[in-house]
Amino acid sequence: GQQVMQIPQYQHVQEGEDFTTYCNSSTTLSNIQWYKQRPGGHPVFLIQLVKSGEVKKQKRLTFQFGEAKKNSSLHITATQTTDVGTYFCAGQGSGTSYGKLTFGQGTILTVHP
Amino acid sequence: GAGVSQSPSNKVTEKGKDVELRCDPISGHTALYWYRQSLGQGLEFLIYFQGNSAPDKSGLPSDRFSAERTGGSVSTLTIQRTQQEDSAVYLCASRLGASDTQYFGPGTRLTVL
Repeated sequence: GQQVMQIPQYQHVQEGEDFTTYCNSSTTLSNIQWYKQRPGGHPVFLIQLVKSGEVKKQKRLTFQFGEAKKNSSLHITATQTTDVGTYFCAGQGSGTSYGKLTFGQGTILTVHP
Repeated sequence: GAGVSQSPSNKVTEKGKDVELRCDPISGHTALYWYRQSLGQGLEFLIYFQGNSAPDKSGLPSDRFSAERTGGSVSTLTIQRTQQEDSAVYLCASRLGASDTQYFGPGTRLTVL
């Protein structure tokens, strides 16, 4: 079945440093979504990428979808303490798997002031 | 309601008992998902309902787990003969359509003693 690997599992940064998390899928995806989960909270949708090579920005966050639609990254510039949380990617399959989202294991981000 | 709601928010049960977890999706959302999240772990897909189609049960870990969705709205996840390893947060999510943003509920924290 479809697998989505996400690295790193943990990332500790000083406030102001950059942060990147990477996702790789075992199969070609129809789209990929990114979610943020604050400590004690539930996942909240950040963005969806659909097109091959797509790049989207939300303020200090930059999301990329690979040309082969099998990998993606989230980059945060100049982290702030409010960025703390777990970032998940979720790949949506195609064909009979369409509609089902497979989540990566998440990257836990800690930001030291 | 404005968002996905789940009940109860917390459930403590004894090993061997059955439990029922409820999810009320956002009105009009055709897709409904159940996930399980163990402490500090990622989201494990359990089951997916899309409209009137047969549910995708490929993530259910054993035949002790079952779910139903009545009238295309409310869903109930049932765990029979609970085991300690079933302890986790059970998250429900809904989507307007199969390719739209997924909205998560607050989760039910299940503890099996």
